[in-house]
This record gives sequence, structure tokens and C-alpha cells, in this order.
Amino acid sequence: DAGVTQSPTHLIKTRGQHVTLRCSPISGHKSVSWYQQVLGQGPQFIFQYYEKEERGRGNFPDRFSARQFPNYSSELNVNALLLGDSALYLCASSLGQRLSGNTIYFGEGSWLTVV
Amino acid sequence: AQTVTQSQPEMSVQEAETVTLSCTYDTSESDYYLFWYKQPPSRQMILVIRQEAYKQQNATENRFSVNFQKAAKSFSLKISDSQLGDAAMYFCAYRSANFGNEKLTFGTGTRLTIIP
Repeated sequence: DAGVTQSPTHLIKTRGQHVTLRCSPISGHKSVSWYQQVLGQGPQFIFQYYEKEERGRGNFPDRFSARQFPNYSSELNVNALLLGDSALYLCASSLGQRLSGNTIYFGEGSWLTVV
Repeated sequence: AQTVTQSQPEMSVQEAETVTLSCTYDTSESDYYLFWYKQPPSRQMILVIRQEAYKQQNATENRFSVNFQKAAKSFSLKISDSQLGDAAMYFCAYRSANFGNEKLTFGTGTRLTIIP
């Protein structure tokens, strides 16, 4: 079975532009989360979606938004890009059920460079 | 808000030896999960081991084991018989056990080097 897949793997954008990152969860997983990992730091939580509803939001500006589709895939959108948005963006998925506390699986990430 | 602290930015160990990575956390919750994730140069976060706070027994996965001290809010990872493939960044992470909340709070990581 395929793991969490993300696209694109690498991209370069100019300040002020918009970017859309995509994530397909593991088959059967209904919960998707997004994290930002700046070089040299641990991942920071951005959003969590479960059954197409937002379940959690981290401390990020309104320029960051996300959504989850009926097939449970997800998009992360960032508007008005700043140099500081350059980071690895990780997507994670889980079953979203309480039983056994849900193992969370990560994708390989999308490297975003803002110039 | 919960916080996770990893006070060792870098660690090194001889191949086949044992190394312990430290992690402390702060929370007011009584029910939660703790994790150790490994991030190799490929950047994919790989789950190494997990611990449920309500379980007193320390988790073990092959060469990896934890020392969970709930009262001290300490969660260290011991890697036995270190192998070259263990070289990576290791992140300690916290998650609330509240249903529907899957936010992981990560520490700043420890870079582990294996010396041949």
C-alpha cells in the first residue's frame, strides 16, 4: 500500500506569490495534518482536518489555509509568500479513531524555497 | 500549552554501543502519548517508538527502548547495539489523548552520529 504522498517535492516561488501543496493520505485514513519544519528546528503544527472539518489550527497567520476533500486528500495554501515561509512542509495522516491512539504517518514533505 | 525540550543538540556513539537521548516535557494533562521519531536525510519522519502515559511499563521495540518517568515528565530513548543506519535526527513528540486532537508537539531534535 502507498504511504502518505505529497506533491510537489520541491518548488521555488517568489515573494508575494501563492503556493498550493497537495497531500494524499494512506488509504483508509480520514485525518490529515500539516506541519512546517524550518531548517534546524522541529516540525510546527499548522492544521488538522478530519472528515473534511478543521479539528485544529496552530499559531500561523491567516495567509495559511487548508482544506480536505471528499476523498480525504488535502491541500495547503499559502498566500503572499514571505522569505520566512521557506521550509519543509510535512503532511501526516492517521485513521482518526480513538482506538489505540492512532499512529500518525508522515509523507516525505514538500520543500518550498521563497526567493 | 504543552512544551517538549530536547537538551542535547548533538550526540555521537560508537557502532555497537548504547546511547541515550533525553527528552522532557511539560503538560497539565494526565492522559497523553509520547513518541520518538527518526528523521534521516531523506527528511521523512519515521515513528521509532510510542508510549501511552497510562501505561507504567516502558515501551520496547527491538533495539529501542524508553525510560518513561511520568512524575518527572521525562521520556528518554535508549538505542542498544547502535548501527550505522541509526544516524539521523531524533525528535521527541507529545500528543494529547483527547479524541480528535492529533496535534503533535515536537522538540528541537537531537542529531545522532554513529562512529564506525
